[in-house]
Amino acid sequence: DSGVTQTPKHLITATGQRVTLRCSPRSGDLSVYWYQQSLDQGLQFLIQYYNGEERAKGNILERFSAQQFPDLHSELNLSSLELGDSALYFCASSPGQGEFQPQHFGDGTRLSIL
Amino acid sequence: AQSVTQLGSHVSVSEGALVLLRCNYSSSVPPYLFWYVQYPNQGLQLLLKYTTGATLVKGINGFEAEFKKSETSFHLTKPSAHMSDAAEYFCAVGKGSKLTFGTGTRLQVTL
Repeated sequence: DSGVTQTPKHLITATGQRVTLRCSPRSGDLSVYWYQQSLDQGLQFLIQYYNGEERAKGNILERFSAQQFPDLHSELNLSSLELGDSALYFCASSPGQGEFQPQHFGDGTRLSIL
Repeated sequence: AQSVTQLGSHVSVSEGALVLLRCNYSSSVPPYLFWYVQYPNQGLQLLLKYTTGATLVKGINGFEAEFKKSETSFHLTKPSAHMSDAAEYFCAVGKGSKLTFGTGTRLQVTL
């Protein structure tokens, strides 16, 4: 158990819809990262928050947004969903924001777009 | 830009045999390197990391990796494979806060 909790585990929805994925980091971790894992793109970094502020952005679509709340949990919002958004979305956390710090991953949310 | 290349998308070994999973990195600065393992329907679990210091890094479950700057490699090894090692393995390089992952190597362990 990594200590990172993601909900829900599975999500099935239709094209054009909007969903919210939730992540609770390990106790004491201030950084939260979001990744997308798909068969064609592999594991892609989306975005990082540190103590409530956005710190790094990767290949995140404009239809996607995220935030980190004062209690340090984070949400990833995906809107105007397309079939290609079907993927496994992972949240990870680390104590700080240094590149030498390993990230600890949750079990992911599997998003299926019908 | 940092990147990693994992040679071999699938590797099959017999139980008890040596496991060798290859990873080469590209980095303009000293890299921070990681190996993660992903079991079916689970998230990624950290196996080991290289930041600075000793080039031979020992991780969990009997795995180790050696950082070779001259070869820009960070190959993962385990002397004797176990059935429970069957999983997908990812090499990653860290820059800033971002991890860049390789495409993964699926390890199959046969009797």
